[in-house]
Amino acid sequence: KQEVTQIPAALSVPEGENLVLNCSFTDSAIYNLQWFRQDPGKGLTSLLLIQSSQREQTSGRLNASLDKSSGRSTLYIAASQPGDSATYLCAVRISGAGSYQLTFGKGTKLSVIP
Amino acid sequence: DAGVIQSPRHEVTEMGQEVTLRCKPISGHDYLFWYRQTMMRGLELLIYFNNNVPIDDSGMPEDRFSAKMPNASFSTLKIQPSEPRDSAVYFCASSLGGLREAFFGQGTRLTVV
Repeated sequence: KQEVTQIPAALSVPEGENLVLNCSFTDSAIYNLQWFRQDPGKGLTSLLLIQSSQREQTSGRLNASLDKSSGRSTLYIAASQPGDSATYLCAVRISGAGSYQLTFGKGTKLSVIP
Repeated sequence: DAGVIQSPRHEVTEMGQEVTLRCKPISGHDYLFWYRQTMMRGLELLIYFNNNVPIDDSGMPEDRFSAKMPNASFSTLKIQPSEPRDSAVYFCASSLGGLREAFFGQGTRLTVV
């Protein structure tokens, strides 16, 4: 059974700092990995989708990397801003017919201090 | 497109009552997923549909839970009878293709007292 872990559970950084959020998964047979952002009381906003054949994906100040063989992904946030404060979730889809569900980590709660 | 729309946003009900949660997926998307989020267990898949047909309901916790998708633009998740342990945030998501980017609604926060 696929398990996804995100460490740390919470992170506090000063504004302007670059930071890395970590995600690890137990089964390397994934199809793709998706990073989401969740604001309090809100839904999930998709940030980046990275396919298993890709090493990284970029969107603005965000860069996601994937090392499938080691079961790890990182989300790099450059020049953090208070508006980046949210919970960041990673989720994987495993390979195989009919395996369309996303398996989620429990998230890292990020606080960017002005 | 307005994105995935869920209603209601909040629901408070008494134990034993029937609860119906609603979802309108993004137009043109052929996959619809229902997830539940709790502090203890995080986000878990309950059921998903492809072209309005339920494909995998193995995540539905009990027979008290049922889901339908009568057409491509509407789905319901029903709990009857509801129990306090059903209190959670329920999310609906849709995608164009089962392996492509999933888009989530704002969720329904259910409280059963």
